[in-house]
Amino acid sequence: GQNIDQPTEMTATEGAIVQINCTYQTSGFNGLFWYQQHAGEAPTFLSYNVLDGLEEKGRFSSFLSRSKGYSYLLLKELQMKDSASYLCAALDSNYQLIWGAGTKLIIKP
Amino acid sequence: EAQVTQNPRYLITVTGKKLTVTCSQNMNHEYMSWYRQDPGLGLRQIYYSMNVEVTDKGDVPEGYKVSRKEKRNFPLILESPSPNQTSLYFCASSRSGEGYNEQFFGPGTRLTVL
Repeated sequence: GQNIDQPTEMTATEGAIVQINCTYQTSGFNGLFWYQQHAGEAPTFLSYNVLDGLEEKGRFSSFLSRSKGYSYLLLKELQMKDSASYLCAALDSNYQLIWGAGTKLIIKP
Repeated sequence: EAQVTQNPRYLITVTGKKLTVTCSQNMNHEYMSWYRQDPGLGLRQIYYSMNVEVTDKGDVPEGYKVSRKEKRNFPLILESPSPNQTSLYFCASSRSGEGYNEQFFGPGTRLTVL
């Protein structure tokens, strides 16, 4: 079957760095997305990786290892507004998105 | 402003009373999709549409219907709602259903079925 695993909840301190991991098992693979979702709001796009390696976008970076079925989202210089859920989703061979349950990130002052 | 709109945003109804949640996008996107989101389960796809008059079942289609008569609209219909359909519903659209395409989400509809 197809599956996405990510931690349910993480806590970090304002100004610090946090890494949110995601492992995936899909029928074929056409890339991996990260979305941010604030409580009660819609998910918004953060990043897309299809090739191995690290892609940096401001304070956020996303890494992919296709051979290991593994990705992570790295958030630097954490701000209180980064408190949200982070959703990992893999695109399978039929271009269907397989979603993880999300990681709730709590930022403490 | 490019956006996906949903109505209503909040709805409380009773078992068996038919309802429709509307979804509209103004980005000329081909692909549209409906999800439900429940605590601990993440986003689960209900139905999706690759283009006008083309719809397909997602992971949890039972109890739902959709139609895609126009490119911009993709309503979700619950013919006979039941309490297990109480959830947060999101409509989403993307330029295409193939290849890499960022999905744009509507603001969500919180449905309670009593």
